[in-house]
Amino acid sequence: DSGVTQTPKHLITATGQRVTLRCSPRSGDLSVYWYQQSLDQGLQFLIHYYNGEERAKGNILERFSAQQFPDLHSELNLSSLELGDSALYFCASSAQPDPNTEAFFGQGTRLTVV
Amino acid sequence: DQQVKQNSPSLSVQEGRISILNCDYTNSMFDYFLWYKKYPAEGPTFLISISSIKDKNEDGRFTVFLNKSAKHLSLHIVPSQPGDSAVYFCAASALGANNLFFGTGTRLTVIP
Repeated sequence: DSGVTQTPKHLITATGQRVTLRCSPRSGDLSVYWYQQSLDQGLQFLIHYYNGEERAKGNILERFSAQQFPDLHSELNLSSLELGDSALYFCASSAQPDPNTEAFFGQGTRLTVV
Repeated sequence: DQQVKQNSPSLSVQEGRISILNCDYTNSMFDYFLWYKKYPAEGPTFLISISSIKDKNEDGRFTVFLNKSAKHLSLHIVPSQPGDSAVYFCAASALGANNLFFGTGTRLTVIP
């Protein structure tokens, strides 16, 4: 158990809908990263928050947004969903803002858009 | 554009032998490299890392080698064990950057 909790584990929704993925980092970790893993792809970095502030953005679509709350949990919002958004979405947390610090990953949320 | 590449999607090795997983990168600004291991239905877990100021880092059965001139790194597992069967991701970051670039992974199967 990494200590990072992601909910829900599985999500099936229709095209055009909006979903929210939730991540609770390890106790004490201030950094939260979101990654997308599509079929046969590596983990694509989406966004990084540190202590409530956005630190870096990757290839995150405009239809996607995220935030980190004062209690350090984070949410990834995906809207106007398309079939191609079907993927595994991972959240990772670490104590430091430096991405070279060991990060602890949740089990992921598998999103299926039908 | 995939800046970190793992060109072998899969690798099978006999138990007790050496496993060598390879990773190539294109961005010369990358200065820190990590390997993560992923079991099915779990998130990736950190395995080992190396800074660009080194060419080798060892941790038990795991050794990572870095060849900066070739923009290539490799992970050696000796001896390989069945419990090492997993997908291995190579990742890299550039100085001052706030994110990692991951490869597509290599699925290692260690045959008992």
